[in-house]
Amino acid sequence: AQSVTQLGSHVSVSEGALVLLRCNYSSSVPPYLFWYVQYPNQGLQLLLKYTTGATLVKGINGFEAEFKKSETSFHLTKPSAHMSDAAEYFCAVSLNFGNEKLTFGTGTRLTIIP
Amino acid sequence: DSGVTQTPKHLITATGQRVTLRCSPRSGDLSVYWYQQSLDQGLQFLIQYYNGEERAKGNILERFSAQQFPDLHSELNLSSLELGDSALYFCASSVGGGGNIQYFGAGTRLSVL
Repeated sequence: AQSVTQLGSHVSVSEGALVLLRCNYSSSVPPYLFWYVQYPNQGLQLLLKYTTGATLVKGINGFEAEFKKSETSFHLTKPSAHMSDAAEYFCAVSLNFGNEKLTFGTGTRLTIIP
Repeated sequence: DSGVTQTPKHLITATGQRVTLRCSPRSGDLSVYWYQQSLDQGLQFLIQYYNGEERAKGNILERFSAQQFPDLHSELNLSSLELGDSALYFCASSVGGGGNIQYFGAGTRLSVL
């Protein structure tokens, strides 16, 4: 079975500062990894995903994440926070054909301080 | 706009009642997934259909059922509703297969009073 742990249910950063949201996963087989963002009263929007290949993945809105197999991590970063980044962020894992469901972490609420 | 349409946006009902949530997937997507988001349980996978057939089942209560129709839209039926069923219910769709992006609808917010 797969699982996801997101460290820090709330993270606050100043506008212009580095954003780092942590995600660790557990999986018995090579996983597919995703970051989704949820703005208030909206559905989930994909930021980026890792399937195979390059371990540094670039997504939308300046976000990127690095897959580190040795650390079972997939942390999300953005060099410079913007007010519009305030939202809830979910890390998720899925497996192969037949077990494609997304298993989500508990989410991290990002607050941007002006 | 993800291309996934969920109706209704809000539902308010009483305990013991039955409701139906509807989902229209993105054009071309064969797989539909249902998820429940609540404060105490977080985001939980309920069930997946692929081209009309049930493919995977998660933490779905026996009081809940779903189906996918020939035109690929899906319905989630919730019966004998309890206060604890109040949550946001999301539908997502994808082409199917591991690693493919699941596109989420805006959700149906269910309030059981």
